[in-house]
Amino acid sequence: GAVVSQHPSRVICKSGTSVKIECRSLDFQATTMFWYRQFPKQSLMLMATSNEGSKATYEQGVEKDKFLINHASLTLSTLTVTSAHPEDSSFYICSARDGAGALNEQFFGPGTRLTVL
Amino acid sequence: QQQVKQSPQSLIVQKGGISIINCAYENTAFDYFPWYQQFPGKGPALLIAIRPDVSEKKEGRFTISFNKSAKQFSLHIMDSQPGDSATYFCAATLSNTGNQFYFGTGTSLTVIP
Repeated sequence: GAVVSQHPSRVICKSGTSVKIECRSLDFQATTMFWYRQFPKQSLMLMATSNEGSKATYEQGVEKDKFLINHASLTLSTLTVTSAHPEDSSFYICSARDGAGALNEQFFGPGTRLTVL
Repeated sequence: QQQVKQSPQSLIVQKGGISIINCAYENTAFDYFPWYQQFPGKGPALLIAIRPDVSEKKEGRFTISFNKSAKQFSLHIMDSQPGDSATYFCAATLSNTGNQFYFGTGTSLTVIP
């Protein structure tokens, strides 16, 4: 089955530093990748949609200069949280859409827990 | 506007019972309706999905019932087990356009032994 990995699974950083999270589709080509943020006991909040080779499309209210997204290949997308602050602490989840699949299903990574001190 | 509404927010079921989670959607153009299961600290995992050309889909103990006219779909978990305790999200999307998934607010299911 389709597998999506995320790295790191957990990261703790000091306020003001930048953190990069990688999302990889391991056995399929992901024409589209999505980045979500999830607060405890809440639903997934879509942050941005990225298509390989083009700029990401950010949802309203998401700062594109703070959450930098790069989708350089069909198997890798990165989210960089720049100048992180404690309010950025959250669970970040990526998903990848298999454009070649008949159902265009969306497969989720295991998530990255970011804690900003 | 919430595109997909989900209820209940939480559900407690005895082992062996039936768990039922309901979702309603707004956009009649949606054509793919997946259900995801999420355990604490993990990403969501696809459980089962349905397209609007069928009214029911069953995979093992999990069944989706779909009512196109009412714009509603539900997840039934038969013979619920403690291992089913997790948060369940319904979603809806336009599958061929690369559009985003619209998620429900989630249901926390607890199956007590």
